[in-house]
Amino acid sequence: DIQMTQSPSSLSASVGDRVTITCQASRDIGYFLNWYQQKPGKAPNLLIYEASTLEAGVPSRFSGSGSGTDFTFTISSLQPEDNATYYCQHYDNLPQLTFGGGTKVEIK
Amino acid sequence: QVTLRESGPALVKPTQTLTLTCSFSGFSLNTGGMSVTWIRQPPGKALEWLARIDWDGDRYYSTSLKNRLSISKDTSKNQVVLTMTNMDPVDTATYFCARAKRGSGATFDYWGQGTQVTVSS
Repeated sequence: DIQMTQSPSSLSASVGDRVTITCQASRDIGYFLNWYQQKPGKAPNLLIYEASTLEAGVPSRFSGSGSGTDFTFTISSLQPEDNATYYCQHYDNLPQLTFGGGTKVEIK
Repeated sequence: QVTLRESGPALVKPTQTLTLTCSFSGFSLNTGGMSVTWIRQPPGKALEWLARIDWDGDRYYSTSLKNRLSISKDTSKNQVVLTMTNMDPVDTATYFCARAKRGSGATFDYWGQGTQVTVSS
């Protein structure tokens, strides 16, 4: 099975900061990677799919990039409502599906 | 609009079988390319994919749990049912059902609110 290593596991940043989260796959996964936001006590919410496509209705401060084994998720200007945990998710055609360990983003 | 809602017991005993129901509206599992998936999340931990059922009846399971899982659908009721046998305290988690984008199978654009399941004697 493919392993997804997400880092950092947590971070603290100020409103307006640029925040970057990375996800590394144990082997080439092409662009088959999604990013979700999960707020406490809530279900995850899809932000980015196929590595870089912004889901409809999601603010443009969220973006994704990468392919192969290395992927990046960026919040260009952190907002108070972005306080949440973010997960990457890989999928393949077997189909098997793996989530990263999550990154907890805290607002200073 | 699309909604999903999970239901089932909040507490099960070790070795028992868990049965969860996902009731959905706003889409049909008779539509080509649609699928519903179950995902769980132990307290304070990451998400874990469990099983998926497609519009045509194809079923897929997590390799680590496939011997314990069964997923089925009742399209007339707009429901998907997950059963997990031989429950253990490590299976304590919030269980979510989610719809995948049409044709994707694995990009989840709508989720239920989750149902919390505790395994304890």
